[in-house]
Amino acid sequence: AQKITQTQPGMFVQEKEAVTLDCTYDTSDPSYGLFWYKQPSSGEMIFLIYQGSYDQQNATEGRYSLNFQKARKSANLVISASQLGDSAMYFCAMREANTGNQFYFGTGTSLTVIP
Amino acid sequence: ETGVTQTPRHLVMGMTNKKSLKCEQHLGHNAMYWYKQSAKKPLELMFVYNFKEQTENNSVPSRFSPECPNSSHLFLHLHTLQPEDSALYLCASSQVGSNNYGYTFGSGTRLTVV
Repeated sequence: AQKITQTQPGMFVQEKEAVTLDCTYDTSDPSYGLFWYKQPSSGEMIFLIYQGSYDQQNATEGRYSLNFQKARKSANLVISASQLGDSAMYFCAMREANTGNQFYFGTGTSLTVIP
Repeated sequence: ETGVTQTPRHLVMGMTNKKSLKCEQHLGHNAMYWYKQSAKKPLELMFVYNFKEQTENNSVPSRFSPECPNSSHLFLHLHTLQPEDSALYLCASSQVGSNNYGYTFGSGTRLTVV
């Protein structure tokens, strides 16, 4: 089974609107971390936000927030007030405590912000 | 310089060439990684180095040969590659053992094998 599933290959959003990028995960490890990365066309993967499995509150970083629904195993990224510079690929990733260093990445969602 | 630096940014090589990709991290991290990113595929973990020791090799063909001379530098030596090896190669580092050890990635080397 896929560890990380991103079902939206491409998304469009109007500038200044909010957008939600979906991510579901599969693990039996009670201790894990969830990450979102942004990859512009330049190629670099930029860390956006982190959510630990034991965190009680949803993570927030500026315009980014993570809608963490543990029972549903979902970790959706919400970008508020979209900007043209937000156009990029977005990857959801997970690290399980019992698999050490390995990260599992989804296939990504391509976000296009329309002026 | 800060973060993770990869050179070169772009590389075109013939199937009989030998070349090397270089990665350097300035973050004091203790683990480094090579990932391959092909179009429309998830990132593929290739190699993991933890405290300079290789801890994972995910069935990578021997035409890819990693080298980690110290905790700040990581190389990927390439020889007799195939056209299907054309991809973006990303280096990352992390601090294993910290509470949240996310990866810090470099900008990648876009490799084209002709």
